[in-house]
Amino acid sequence: DAMVIQNPRYQVTQFGKPVTLSCSQTLNHNVMYWYQQKSSQAPKLLFHYYDKDFNNEADTPDNFQSRRPNTSFCFLDIRSPGLGDAAMYLCATSRVAVGETQYFGPGTRLLVL
Amino acid sequence: AQSVAQPEDQVNVAEGNPLTVKCTYSVSGNPYLFWYVQYPNRGLQFLLKYITGDNLVKGSYGFEAEFNKSQTSFHLKKPSALVSDSALYFCAVRASGSARQLTFGSGTQLTVLP
Repeated sequence: DAMVIQNPRYQVTQFGKPVTLSCSQTLNHNVMYWYQQKSSQAPKLLFHYYDKDFNNEADTPDNFQSRRPNTSFCFLDIRSPGLGDAAMYLCATSRVAVGETQYFGPGTRLLVL
Repeated sequence: AQSVAQPEDQVNVAEGNPLTVKCTYSVSGNPYLFWYVQYPNRGLQFLLKYITGDNLVKGSYGFEAEFNKSQTSFHLKKPSALVSDSALYFCAVRASGSARQLTFGSGTQLTVLP
């Protein structure tokens, strides 16, 4: 089945230790998104790629970066995680179209010790 | 700017009864409206969307939603609730012709009581 895959599902890191979260998709969608979700709140968009074009939200901290080496994969790098970065990180994809739908992966829950 | 309001943090309904989860929105221009459901420790699952056309939209698992332009609402409904429908529901909006970022509501926790 075509899908959005996130690895790992749970990630534990130490305060200040860089961490990378992974997202892959078999949908061949040209847009990939990274969201942060805390405590069942609304997901907050961090950035997205339209093909290779990177679009950063204005309020996304510099601590968060992303890479998209090819159509299928996208990575979220947190350079120096703080306790406030503990959250669920959601990857989503969409195909550019009128009223396009975003399809989400299962998420990675990040714990910062 | 676009915004979404889900006025109820929590909705409780008895199994077999109809359910409604409310959503109102504000956008400039025509809206694209979406409903997603989230189960614990999972990602968001797409239920249905309104782009244009018929105001009544049918989606997955027996859910439907009615677009009401005059009331700027897009309430989610189901005629007969199941215990397995208990989850967190998010409404989202995007203005047609704008950047593709979705604006999500704060979410409504639905609990279906057996």
